[in-house]
Amino acid sequence: DARVTQTPRHKVTEMGQEVTMRCQPILGHNTVFWYRQTMMQGLELLAYFRNRAPLDDSGMPKDRFSAEMPDATLATLKIQPSEPRDSAVYFCASGEPDIESTGELFFGEGSRLTVL
Amino acid sequence: AQSVTQLDSHVSVSEGTPVLLRCNYSSSYSPSLFWYVQHPNKGLQLLLKYTSAATLVKGINGFEAEFKKSETSFHLTKPSAHMSDAAEYFCVVSERGGSYIPTFGRGTSLIVHP
Repeated sequence: DARVTQTPRHKVTEMGQEVTMRCQPILGHNTVFWYRQTMMQGLELLAYFRNRAPLDDSGMPKDRFSAEMPDATLATLKIQPSEPRDSAVYFCASGEPDIESTGELFFGEGSRLTVL
Repeated sequence: AQSVTQLDSHVSVSEGTPVLLRCNYSSSYSPSLFWYVQHPNKGLQLLLKYTSAATLVKGINGFEAEFKKSETSFHLTKPSAHMSDAAEYFCVVSERGGSYIPTFGRGTSLIVHP
């Protein structure tokens, strides 16, 4: 049963600490998206990658957020330093190579971050 | 450019009654349209999708949606609601031939009363 795997599922940290969230896309998928979900803003696109290259990270606060794909099986989203306003659920989603015609995303179960 | 508007933030129905969740879209290209469902503390799951084939699309759990180009709508329906249908529903558009990056609506919370 192929699925997108995200870790950690839950993270509580203190303001100023570094947070790293990880995502393993479905094998064979070459597009990876990071979304943030909050009650106020809904789902926001933070960044996305195609064949490990970042294509758009305009939705991401550049001063504290960074996203990378060290290899095809791992995507990371890092926040340093974290702030209370970063508290949200962060979702990773992956897409198949023909995403231009399908548009379909496969979501992980999310990482719930609480910054105190 | 593409956008999607979910006309209701909350919809409340009684178990066994029909469900209608409304979605309107705009797209400069041929759109692909999707409905995703999110149960509490879970990720989003694809419910159904339209990608230029039949305009009436059937999905999982008895849901269906009809693509109406003249009305730029893609409303989600189900004949009879079940308690397990209570969740958040997202309408999504992407453009075939344009920006394939999906654009999400703000979501509609479906509440099902016994």
